Amino acid sequence: ILNVEQSPQSLHVQEGDSTNFTCSFPSSNFYALHWYRWETAKSPEALFVMTLNGDEKKKGRISATLNTKEGYSYLYIKGSQPEDSATYLCAFRSGGSYIPTFGRGTSLIVHP
Amino acid sequence: EAQVTQNPRYLITVTGKKLTVTCSQNMNHEYMSWYRQDPGLGLRQIYYSMNVEVTDKGDVPEGYKVSRKEKRNFPLILESPSPNQTSLYFCASSPRTGVEETQYFGPGTRLLVL
Repeated sequence: ILNVEQSPQSLHVQEGDSTNFTCSFPSSNFYALHWYRWETAKSPEALFVMTLNGDEKKKGRISATLNTKEGYSYLYIKGSQPEDSATYLCAFRSGGSYIPTFGRGTSLIVHP
Repeated sequence: EAQVTQNPRYLITVTGKKLTVTCSQNMNHEYMSWYRQDPGLGLRQIYYSMNVEVTDKGDVPEGYKVSRKEKRNFPLILESPSPNQTSLYFCASSPRTGVEETQYFGPGTRLLVL
């Protein structure tokens, strides 16, 4: 089983703060890296899929970058809002595998 | 509305009593999979299916069975549940297994095995 690590495990920020967290994955045999947002009592929803080294994706105030050579991806949230409170999951797929490996997630709580 | 549905959403059962959790998607997706979520762990894939009659083991298949007789349905079967199968289960689907494909998750089934 591949090692996919997310840090920090949890994060408390004030409304308006910008924040970022990390997903680390094996740097060899990279295929794709997915980010999901998981709100309490709901199901995970896709944010981004990243496939190329240097990829940058953006959706509103949320953006992500990818470095496949060193094996990490950053998720950034600009001007956090209480509705951004959720667990953010990353999932790594290696070449030739149909089984994604999920990290444990980063739990973000944004205080009004 | 495009969605993945699971039933039941909550289930309490006893050790050894066979149960089935249904999963259905209305998006004509080829790829479907089952995950379990346990405290302190990431989502772990149990089984996946790339198309009708094609299923394969994920990372944690022991104690589970699946079938894919129709494209839209992918039930998860626990022939003899045990307490270590107490967990939150998610069904997911995606159009195909290509590099850009993200998964659509069902609402989850919370299972307690006594």
